[in-house]
Amino acid sequence: AQSVTQPDIHITVSEGASLELRCNYSYGATPYLFWYVQSPGQGLQLLLKYFSGDTLVQGIKGFEAEFKRSQSSFNLRKPSVHWSDAAEYFCAVSGGGADGLTFGKGTHLIIQP
Amino acid sequence: NAGVTQTPKFRILKIGQSMTLQCTQDMNHNYMYWYRQDPGMGLKLIYYSVGAGITDKGEVPNGYNVSRSTTEDFPLRLELAAPSQTSVYFCATDSSFSYNEQFFGPGTRLTVL
Repeated sequence: AQSVTQPDIHITVSEGASLELRCNYSYGATPYLFWYVQSPGQGLQLLLKYFSGDTLVQGIKGFEAEFKRSQSSFNLRKPSVHWSDAAEYFCAVSGGGADGLTFGKGTHLIIQP
Repeated sequence: NAGVTQTPKFRILKIGQSMTLQCTQDMNHNYMYWYRQDPGMGLKLIYYSVGAGITDKGEVPNGYNVSRSTTEDFPLRLELAAPSQTSVYFCATDSSFSYNEQFFGPGTRLTVL
C-alpha cells in the first residue's frame, strides 16, 4: 500500500528566510506526487505536481519541489517566505488510478516576523 | 464556473441523527471523491466514484453511504451520526485525464454531539 510521511508536524521560519518541507513516500511504481496548501478554514489548493520528466518542478506562489527517486522524497522549497505562506501543507501520492490520493498528515508552517 | 461546491458549510448533529452532505461540480469531471480531515491526521478517503452509477469504498467508509446519479452531484449520507464522525469533509473532483490532479471544495465542518 502506498503511504506518505511528513516528518515535521510544525515548522517555524522567519519571514524572508528560506523554507524546506520534507515529504517521503512509499509506492511500488513511479508515483504521481503533489503538494497542496490549506489556509485556515479553507479547502485545499494545489501548489505543484510531478508526473514525469524534469525532477525539479515549479509551482504557484514561488514554490518548487524536487523529486528524488533514490531517496523516495519530494521536498517542497521556497527561497524566501512571506507572512501569507503561513498555512498547513500536505504532500500526496497516487498511482494514476481512480482510487484517490494518499495524503501525509501535514506540516503546519508558522512564520515569525 | 463555480468549480466544486459543498453545502452546508457547518452543521451540528445530535447522536443518531441523519444528514446528507451535498457536493456539486460544474467541471464535467468523471471522478469524484469524499475525504474526511481530522486534526493531525491528514485526509482520508471515504468513498469515490468514477462516473454516474459507479461508486466504491475508500479507506474509511464505515458509517457513510454515497450515490452518483448524475455527473455533477455526489452526495454523502450519514445514517446514524456518531461523535467519531465529527470532522471536516471535503469533496474533490478529477478529470480522469489529469493524472489525479484533484480540485477540492471548501469543505463542510460537521460536529456530532
